[in-house]
Amino acid sequence: DGGITQSPKYLFRKEGQNVTLSCEQNLNHDAMYWYRQDPGQGLRLIYYSQIVNDFQKGDIAEGYSVSREKKESFPLTVTSAQKNPTAFYLCASSIKGPRGTGELFFGEGSRLTVL
Amino acid sequence: AQSVTQPDIHITVSEGASLELRCNYSYGATPYLFWYVQSPGQGLQLLLKYFSGDTLVQGIKGFEAEFKRSQSSFNLRKPSVHWSDAAEYFCASRSNTGKLIFGQGTTLQVKP
Repeated sequence: DGGITQSPKYLFRKEGQNVTLSCEQNLNHDAMYWYRQDPGQGLRLIYYSQIVNDFQKGDIAEGYSVSREKKESFPLTVTSAQKNPTAFYLCASSIKGPRGTGELFFGEGSRLTVL
Repeated sequence: AQSVTQPDIHITVSEGASLELRCNYSYGATPYLFWYVQSPGQGLQLLLKYFSGDTLVQGIKGFEAEFKRSQSSFNLRKPSVHWSDAAEYFCASRSNTGKLIFGQGTTLQVKP
């Protein structure tokens, strides 16, 4: 079955460490997105990529980095510069990016806890 | 700026009662509208979507939504709520750059 796979499901990190969250999709979608979710704050866009080897900052990109070397993969690195990284992270994809309907397909999420 | 508003942060209904979750969007052209549901610790699942045509759209799990252009609304409804419907619900609209704009979400609690 096609879908989006995020790993790990749960991750613990010590302060000062970088951590990378994986997101893989086999839907052949052009665009991929990373969202952060905190209680009571809905979904906030971190980064998105509409094509391989290109990506744009979202609303809260500071302290995060991404790469898009392959169409099916869009890993997110939470760096030590992110002041409050404990959150639930969601990866999503869409068929055509700006020319599409906007419909997003989501992964199951990764919960990062900084100790 | 484009926005999506869900006026109710938290709603509690009794099992078997009807449900309506409100959503208002701000966008001049015909919008692409979505409702997603999220169970705790899970990703978001698409319930239904509206692009054009019939303004009453049917979704999964017995949900429906009605697009009302005059009110800039896209309210989600279900005739009879089940305990398994307890979750967080997000309304979303496509922006003019192709990204989705989400509302803040409505948490639904179902009383037995």
